[in-house]
Amino acid sequence: GNSVTQMEGPVTLSEEAFLTINCTYTATGYPSLFWYVQYPGEGLQLLLKATKADDKGSNKGFEATYRKETTSFHLEKGSVQVSDSAVYFCAFNAGGTSYGKLTFGQGTILTVHP
Amino acid sequence: NAGVTQTPKFQVLKTGQSMTLQCAQDMNHEYMSWYRQDPGMGLRLIHYSVGAGITDQGEVPNGYNVSRSTTEDFPLRLLSAAPSQTSVYFCASSLSGNREETQYFGPGTRLLVL
Repeated sequence: GNSVTQMEGPVTLSEEAFLTINCTYTATGYPSLFWYVQYPGEGLQLLLKATKADDKGSNKGFEATYRKETTSFHLEKGSVQVSDSAVYFCAFNAGGTSYGKLTFGQGTILTVHP
Repeated sequence: NAGVTQTPKFQVLKTGQSMTLQCAQDMNHEYMSWYRQDPGMGLRLIHYSVGAGITDQGEVPNGYNVSRSTTEDFPLRLLSAAPSQTSVYFCASSLSGNREETQYFGPGTRLLVL
């Protein structure tokens, strides 16, 4: 069945460190891929997305590339800030019979220290 | 635009009580959905709606009812609350359920069932 496997957390980094959060998926069809971020006490907001193979989504210094051959969508940022501390969710929408449904990973907690 | 709004922010119920979680959006979105967020499990789809008058079950619908009488509102009803329904509930909306659409989330309702 459809599923997302995310890097286990929590992840703790110092400011200006490089960030990678791994995400792989199992999906029927040809999904669109998303990264959502949840800041403390808030709802989820879209960080970036990619809708076809080899697309790169980017926003706020974060990047992720849709790799169909490895079914992956790893999140990267070259230099994290304290304000990036949040929970990050990888998700996809496979469309078709799963119309509208987002399948989420379990989330990765990121803490960035000054 | 207010986006997606949810009320209440926090609620405590006793086992067997009923309540309605409110969700509204002002973006004229056709697709709306409810998710629950539990620790280590990501978000799981409860119910969804593709337009006024049309609803369907998601992954974990038992114990919940929904209706969609207007485009703007999509309330979630707990008929007889159980401790297993202790969770954080998120409402989301998008223009459609097509796989490339961005879904917008509300701030969440934290529910505790004693």
